[in-house]
Amino acid sequence: EDQVTQSPEALRLQEGESSSLNCSYTVSGLRGLFWYRQDPGKGPEFLFTLYSAGEEKEKERLKATLTKKESFLHITAPKPEDSATYLCAVWKGGGADGLTFGKGTHLIIQP
Amino acid sequence: GAGVSQSPSNKVTEKGKDVELRCDPISGHTALYWYRQSLGQGLEFLIYFQGNSAPDKSGLPSDRFSAERTGGSVSTLTIQRTQQEDSAVYLCASSPRVRGGTEAFFGQGTRLTVV
Repeated sequence: EDQVTQSPEALRLQEGESSSLNCSYTVSGLRGLFWYRQDPGKGPEFLFTLYSAGEEKEKERLKATLTKKESFLHITAPKPEDSATYLCAVWKGGGADGLTFGKGTHLIIQP
Repeated sequence: GAGVSQSPSNKVTEKGKDVELRCDPISGHTALYWYRQSLGQGLEFLIYFQGNSAPDKSGLPSDRFSAERTGGSVSTLTIQRTQQEDSAVYLCASSPRVRGGTEAFFGQGTRLTVV
């Protein structure tokens, strides 16, 4: 069974304190790994797609990396507006074509 | 519209009643997805449409759930004889590509409460 596990479940950081969120997966035939951000009461907002091990993508203070077993979302010098739940999802293609999501990491950045 | 629109934003219904949730995707997006997000759980994939057809309905939780899409645009998710365990946020997303692997744009969701 495909599994996506995110850790930690919650993380509280001081403004400017860099850290990393982890997404480990057991999926046969991974075709892509996605990172989304979700604010309370809103739908997820797309951040990155990674397709192969060794790939990295950056956007402002965020950088996503991918290995054959896990992905990291690195947050450098975060600001309070980076507070959100970060979701990881995997796509294996095929007929169902939906994403399998992890439960997310709830990130709080304190000023 | 500029984004994916879902209605209603909130729905409270009595156990046993039928409900219909609507999704209006971004114009021109051929792929449309329904997900369910329960408290403390990750997003659960329900069904996707490629144009008007749904190739795989096995993600729907039970035969009380059905979905349709007409004109390659608006989609409705119908839940018959609602149960308390159906309470969740139902999210719709659309994508410009026929197959997955590209970014999907999500709506704000419909919060369903079954009392």
